[in-house]
Amino acid sequence: KQEVTQIPAALSVPEGENLVLNCSFTDSAIYNLQWFRQDPGKGLTSLLLIQSSQREQTSGRLNASLDKSSGRSTLYIAASQPGDSATYLCAVRSRGGADGLTFGKGTHLIIQP
Amino acid sequence: ETGVTQTPRHLVMGMTNKKSLKCEQHLGHNAMYWYKQSAKKPLELMFVYNFKEQTENNSVPSRFSPECPNSSHLFLHLHTLQPEDSALYLCASSQDYTTGANVLTFGAGSRLTVL
Repeated sequence: KQEVTQIPAALSVPEGENLVLNCSFTDSAIYNLQWFRQDPGKGLTSLLLIQSSQREQTSGRLNASLDKSSGRSTLYIAASQPGDSATYLCAVRSRGGADGLTFGKGTHLIIQP
Repeated sequence: ETGVTQTPRHLVMGMTNKKSLKCEQHLGHNAMYWYKQSAKKPLELMFVYNFKEQTENNSVPSRFSPECPNSSHLFLHLHTLQPEDSALYLCASSQDYTTGANVLTFGAGSRLTVL
């Protein structure tokens, strides 16, 4: 059974810093990995999707990498802003088992002005 | 709105009540999903429908009953729930569930409180 772990569970940094969020998964047989953002009381917004054949994806100040063989992904946020404060969720779509996504518990990020 | 609309946004019900959550997607997708998000736990997949057919029931208790009358609408019927069922219920949709390039679009969720 696929398990997804995110470290750290919470992070608070001053505005302007570059930061890295980590995600690990136990079964490397995946179709893709997706990073989401969730604001309090809201649904999930997809940030980046990395296919199993890809190594990284970039969108603006966000860069996500994937090392499928080691079961790891990182989300890099450059020049953080208070508006980046949210919970960031990592999810993988596995080749076996359920057809939906397996999620981590998320990293709760606070960017201090 | 993200293209996936969930109603109601908030629901409070007693353990003997019967209520329903509704999800509607305007994206032309063929697959729809129900997820449960409890405090301090990862999102849990509950049900998956593809072209109106249920393809996944992730060991969900029978007090939760899904219904998918067409590819645009998904319901979650609730009856005799327990307080531990209190959670945020998220609906999502995707083009289909068979391809690896499947990107899920989520609704804003329905916050359920069971008294």
